[in-house]
Amino acid sequence: NAGVMQNPRHLVRRRGQEARLRCSPMKGHSHVYWYRQLPEEGLKFMVYLQKENIIDESGMPKERFSAEFPKEGPSILRIQQVVRGDSAAYFCASSPIPTYEQYFGPGTRLTVT
Amino acid sequence: TQLLEQSPQFLSIQEGENLTVYCNSSSVFSSLQWYRQEPGEGPVLLVTVVTGGEVKKLKRLTFQFGDARKDSSLHITAAQPGDTGLYLCAGLITGTASKLTFGTGTRLQVTL
Repeated sequence: NAGVMQNPRHLVRRRGQEARLRCSPMKGHSHVYWYRQLPEEGLKFMVYLQKENIIDESGMPKERFSAEFPKEGPSILRIQQVVRGDSAAYFCASSPIPTYEQYFGPGTRLTVT
Repeated sequence: TQLLEQSPQFLSIQEGENLTVYCNSSSVFSSLQWYRQEPGEGPVLLVTVVTGGEVKKLKRLTFQFGDARKDSSLHITAAQPGDTGLYLCAGLITGTASKLTFGTGTRLQVTL
């Protein structure tokens, strides 16, 4: 079985542009989680989604960040008007049910210049 | 506030040595996982422990969950260069949904 897929693996954006990060969960998994790993810091929870629903977005910055997990297609994490502080590795994880056993993708490394 | 503290932060040992990594918190966790992360990759799940006092073994790795479910340890016997990586503990705080709280990480390097 294919694992969690994320693309792109590397993304470079200039300040003020939009970044769109995609995550395809493992087959059979309908729960998706996004985490951010800043340089030299640990992973921090951002948002938890089920198909067409945001369950917990307590870790999402209030402005410029949004996430969706449509009925069809991958989950998308969108960052509008990126700033240098958004430079980080963004990881997606998935699980078949709401559970602690989350399987992570390889991440998208966002660099804002 | 960092809910999960790992120690040591860095560990450099020679092949064949034993080591223990600790993960401590003042919060109670309903479950706790250990992950290993290679540079440029995502965390890979090693084990999940859910019962206080539980001990799980994975080849040369032994994981223990504290009786009070506030701490955990990872012991590696006869470390090999292939064990090199960043070890992360992550817990699900009792009463929360599926939001994992990650530890600060322990970077292990095993040399020949």
